[in-house]
Amino acid sequence: DADVTQTPRNRITKTGKRIMLECSQTKGHDRMYWYRQDPGLGLRLIYYSFDVKDINKGEISDGYSVSRQAQAKFSLSLESAIPNQTALYFCATSEPGTSPSEQFFGPGTRLTVL
Amino acid sequence: AQKITQTQPGMFVQEKEAVTLDCTYDTSDQSYGLFWYKQPSSGEMIFLIYQGSYDEQNATEGRYSLNFQKARKSANLVISASQLGDSAMYFCAMRGHYGGSQGNLIFGKGTKLSVKP
Repeated sequence: DADVTQTPRNRITKTGKRIMLECSQTKGHDRMYWYRQDPGLGLRLIYYSFDVKDINKGEISDGYSVSRQAQAKFSLSLESAIPNQTALYFCATSEPGTSPSEQFFGPGTRLTVL
Repeated sequence: AQKITQTQPGMFVQEKEAVTLDCTYDTSDQSYGLFWYKQPSSGEMIFLIYQGSYDEQNATEGRYSLNFQKARKSANLVISASQLGDSAMYFCAMRGHYGGSQGNLIFGKGTKLSVKP
């Protein structure tokens, strides 16, 4: 079974709809991240959480919100989706104090906003 | 501000030849980490190799090696003996200090590598 899972894997929605992307991990890591990937732009950080009570905005948090329901679960919400939020969304986890403390990525959620 | 630059949007290499993917970085931190990830057409992000800023030797992982030149702030990925399965997007990333806390990754825009048979 995958260590980091994301649901749904693909989603098509309409402008103005609320949508939630979910991420679960079995790695036991405290740190979790949400990134979005746009063609030609690489991955950009939306939000990150270092533990259940610690949530922080990333580079491009406008239009998004998150919830850390438990150590293993980190959800990303689009309150009112707009077409320029069409992108590939990745959840990732990491564990500080390990070397190299690389981030482990989920398989991604491809979101299309019409 | 921390930044990763990958200047090669696309690269071609002949199967079995070596290829170098360029990455330069900008940071004022003394301690940092550099990563390379591979993204095949299926979309997943696969960790390849890591170099710490204090590591004296260049990192190697199988056919992957990292040519780390600290003074030039470059961390190029070298893939030896290219295989068709190496065709993918490759991202260079740096562990940053966003918001004052270390942990998140800052990514370059990626290089699309195509291996020709």
